[in-house]
Amino acid sequence: EADIYQTPRYLVIGTGKKITLECSQTMGHDKMYWYQQDPGMELHLIHYSYGVNSTEKGDLSSESTVSRIRTEHFPLTLESARPSHTSQYLCASSRPTSHNEQFFGPGTRLTVL
Amino acid sequence: GQQVMQIPQYQHVQEGEDFTTYCNSSTTLSNIQWYKQRPGGHPVFLIQLVKSGEVKKQKRLTFQFGEAKKNSSLHITATQTTDVGTYFCAGPGFGNEKLTFGTGTRLTIIP
Repeated sequence: EADIYQTPRYLVIGTGKKITLECSQTMGHDKMYWYQQDPGMELHLIHYSYGVNSTEKGDLSSESTVSRIRTEHFPLTLESARPSHTSQYLCASSRPTSHNEQFFGPGTRLTVL
Repeated sequence: GQQVMQIPQYQHVQEGEDFTTYCNSSTTLSNIQWYKQRPGGHPVFLIQLVKSGEVKKQKRLTFQFGEAKKNSSLHITATQTTDVGTYFCAGPGFGNEKLTFGTGTRLTIIP
């Protein structure tokens, strides 16, 4: 069982609020990722990191930002949430060698009213 | 950019029938990975194929990687209710470590 955690699991907030979605892993993985997934749809990579102080934007443009100050922690922040941000956000990590499987957290289901 | 398409998008089968999903990439892949996502859950890694023409089996599941390394398939023999979920293929292009996930095939089982 993969040791990757996300909090909160569910979040309902009003428009304009600042939120931070937490993601932590205890596997010592250098690579971490954030995906956005609407119900029943494909996963879109929005951010990734290959190590501490390394962050890159993914294939899907997102108004969110990320930080990687510690290996185990990869939080995602929305400065001003909007209804269009309503979605499921999945965090994942993988081992440092190339092309390894990704371990996913349980996800945060965000609803912005 | 790289695109990975899967067909069909949805598949409804009677329990005991076989199921196949096909994955096609716009670019050559260094490897192909398959994930399963149960309803309300998160993707879980199933398998990785690396070699051209490779075939791997996991009990009732058979995975195949095309000779040109641009397509793949997943076949389930005699489906069971536990097979319900969405199956995603995913692959990095050569020189690209990011995974591009396919559009997914949602499998539902009619008991």
